[in-house]
Amino acid sequence: DSGVTQTPKHLITATGQRVTLRCSPRSGDLSVYWYQQSLDQGLQFLIQYYNGEERAKGNILERFSAQQFPDLHSELNLSSLELGDSALYFCASRPYPNTGELFFGEGSRLTVL
Amino acid sequence: QQQVKQSPQSLIVQKGGISIINCAYENTAFDYFPWYQQFPGKGPALLIAIRPDVSEKKEGRFTISFNKSAKQFSLHIMDSQPGDSATYFCAASKNSNSGYALNFGKGTSLLVTP
Repeated sequence: DSGVTQTPKHLITATGQRVTLRCSPRSGDLSVYWYQQSLDQGLQFLIQYYNGEERAKGNILERFSAQQFPDLHSELNLSSLELGDSALYFCASRPYPNTGELFFGEGSRLTVL
Repeated sequence: QQQVKQSPQSLIVQKGGISIINCAYENTAFDYFPWYQQFPGKGPALLIAIRPDVSEKKEGRFTISFNKSAKQFSLHIMDSQPGDSATYFCAASKNSNSGYALNFGKGTSLLVTP
């Protein structure tokens, strides 16, 4: 158990809909990272937050957004969903002091029909 | 644009054999090179990592070999066991102490047969 909690574990929805994925980092970790995992692209970095502030953006679509709240949990919002958004979405947290290691949750599997 | 290229995509090794997975990178600013192991239904977990000031790091049956001039690094799994069957990802990041995100390869699916 990495200590990172993600909900829901599975989500099935229709095209055009909007979903919210939730992540609770390990206790005391200030950094949260979101990754998308698909079969053909591997793990793609989406966005990073540190103590409530956005720190870096990766390959995140404009239809996607995220935020980190004062209690350090984070939410990833996916809107106007398309079939191609079906993937595993992982949240990871990084301890401070930074050792380089990321601790991943077990992911949220999104299926868009 | 994939910043870290990983091969092979899949690998089948007999129990007791050596599994070798290779990665290459272009960004010379990268200074942290971890390998992550992922089992079905689980998130990736750190297996072993190396920084460019050493050419090799060994932890048990797992060894990273690092070639800075060639911008390549590899994972060797000695005496491979069926329990090692998983997906392995190499990754790299720059200024790792500043919290930059990891750039992952596409992964290698390893199957160790009995």
